[in-house]
Amino acid sequence: GENVEQHPSTLSVQEGDSAVIKCTYSDSASNYFPWYKQELGKRPQLIIDIRSNVGEKKDQRIAVTLNKTAKHFSLHITETQPEDSAVYFCAASNSGRYSGGGADGLTFGKGTHLIIQP
Amino acid sequence: DVKVTQSSRYLVKRTGEKVFLECVQDMDHENMFWYRQDPGLGLRLIYFSYDVKMKEKGDIPEGYSVSREKKERFSLILESASTNQTSMYLCASSLAGTGGYEQYFGPGTRLTVT
Repeated sequence: GENVEQHPSTLSVQEGDSAVIKCTYSDSASNYFPWYKQELGKRPQLIIDIRSNVGEKKDQRIAVTLNKTAKHFSLHITETQPEDSAVYFCAASNSGRYSGGGADGLTFGKGTHLIIQP
Repeated sequence: DVKVTQSSRYLVKRTGEKVFLECVQDMDHENMFWYRQDPGLGLRLIYFSYDVKMKEKGDIPEGYSVSREKKERFSLILESASTNQTSMYLCASSLAGTGGYEQYFGPGTRLTVT
């Protein structure tokens, strides 16, 4: 099965600086790579995702890069703000494996606790 | 707006009890999932379903079963609860299709087995 490794487990950055979280995956059949943000006591929410036919995707201060050859993808947050403080999870799945497009569930990394220092 | 609801936010059960966790989504999603979340371990997939009456094992299915009799409802069953099943349980749903789609999570059920 798929295995996703995420680093670092904790990341502390000064407000306004950039933060980078890195993940690797093991299954070359994985083709969908979302990132979720989870604030304390709340449900995970998608912040950005990327599919295997794309190398990079950006949404305002957030960007994700994917290197299929190295089986590596990263989350970049620029100009960090206090509200960026949360736990971030990367994940991978093989979508469309089943009849009708049903997807595998996500395999998550163990999470990165991002702390924004004022 | 997608809404995924779970039957309980907190649940306390005794060892050996049969436990039912219910999840309902209102967006006509084909896929539904059950995860458990433990500190330091992230989210781990228990079971998922891509159609009514269809189910697939995830990474940690032992001790659990599921039921999907209607498209909008996906139930997780602990046949005989044990203390190592104390955890946060999260349900999610998504559209089906190649390329992958966002999974929307419910608020979670914090289950304590004593």
